[in-house]
Amino acid sequence: GIQVEQSPPDLILQEGANSTLRCNFSDSVNNLQWFHQNPWGQLINLFYIPSGTKQNGRLSATTVATERYSLLYISSSQTTDSGVYFCAVKTSYDKVIFGPGTSLSVIP
Amino acid sequence: GAVVSQHPSWVICKSGTSVKIECRSLDFQATTMFWYRQFPKQSLMLMATSNEGSKATYEQGVEKDKFLINHASLTLSTLTVTSAHPEDSSFYICSASHQIMNTEAFFGQGTRLTVV
Repeated sequence: GIQVEQSPPDLILQEGANSTLRCNFSDSVNNLQWFHQNPWGQLINLFYIPSGTKQNGRLSATTVATERYSLLYISSSQTTDSGVYFCAVKTSYDKVIFGPGTSLSVIP
Repeated sequence: GAVVSQHPSWVICKSGTSVKIECRSLDFQATTMFWYRQFPKQSLMLMATSNEGSKATYEQGVEKDKFLINHASLTLSTLTVTSAHPEDSSFYICSASHQIMNTEAFFGQGTRLTVV
């Protein structure tokens, strides 16, 4: 089956710093989403981005489907950005497969 | 975006009992829903695909007799953890995509199950 990798696995940032999270996938996908999981476990849908670039406030994402990767940019990080970030890809069987996640800690 | 509601949000049960978790798509129809399990500090692992009007399909290593799935309508899927044991304690979360649009997946808020 498809393999989804994320890097880095852990990241510690000073408040105000910028960061880039990466997601690599091993096969063609129908779409890709980025999520932020809050401390209560709820998945917050950040981007639905099968290809191209999108921006939402301090966050932006780029997916290059032909090269099988996606990037999530966080600018001017805040302590509320802390948590786990997952990328998830939808396969040809409509299954959504999650990467292992990047655990982000933003310190004041 | 579309809303997927999961109930209950948390449940504590005794070993040997069964627990039912509901997943509803509130404002759209979904012929297919998915169930995931997440252990602490791990990613979400797909357990099974719930198909409206037919049997669920389970991922390798998931016991179908332990985790019963019923998808009786286009807006409701249920997961029943039968004869629960402490090792079944986990975070269970469901997802659904719009039947026609079939674009992004929407997730419920999850159910934290603790078996004592």
